[in-house]
Amino acid sequence: DIQMTQSPSSLSASVGDRVTITCRASQSISSYLNWYQQKPGKAPKLLIYAASSLQSGVPSRFSGSGSGTDFTLTISSLQPEDFATYYCQQSYSTNSFGQGTKLEIK
Amino acid sequence: QITLKESGPTLVKPTQTLTLTCTFSGFSLSTSGVGVGWIRQPPGKALEWLALIYWDDDKRYSPSLKSRLTITKDTSKNQVVLTMTNMDPVDTATYYCAHSRASIYGDYPFDYWGQGTLVTVSS
Repeated sequence: DIQMTQSPSSLSASVGDRVTITCRASQSISSYLNWYQQKPGKAPKLLIYAASSLQSGVPSRFSGSGSGTDFTLTISSLQPEDFATYYCQQSYSTNSFGQGTKLEIK
Repeated sequence: QITLKESGPTLVKPTQTLTLTCTFSGFSLSTSGVGVGWIRQPPGKALEWLALIYWDDDKRYSPSLKSRLTITKDTSKNQVVLTMTNMDPVDTATYYCAHSRASIYGDYPFDYWGQGTLVTVSS
């Protein structure tokens, strides 16, 4: 099984801040890494696929990078609507999700 | 547009079998590169991937739950069914189905999700 580990588990930041969330795979997953945003009571929303491709309709302040085992999600300038929980997911071998990163308002 | 909706019991007893149906529209599960998956989320906890079925009837399961899960599709009805045997209170969760399609890079992100259905396991 491929384990996905996100860091940090939670993060406090202010509107306008630049934020980076990290996801590490227990073995190489090439670029088969996706990022999702989830707000309370809602289904997850795809933000980034294939490590760095922006899903249609997602604001350009979201970006992803990495390959192999180490990946990052960056929000260049936090907006009020970005406070949510973020998950990474690998689709290289079966599938698995990270444990989530809760982004809270400072 | 693509929509998915989960249906099934809201309450099941321990040891019972759960059967959930995902009814979708806006795509065909006979189209090459398309899949439908199931993901669950216990209250206040992280997402957990369960199973995925592809257009060619290839099926993938979570290794930790494989012995308890079965995923099937009915292309004519635009439905995917997930069964989970021997339910336990720890299986209490919101269960989501989601559309997946091969990107040009070869991965399969979940780009459309149902609203989810909360299943409680209790006697």
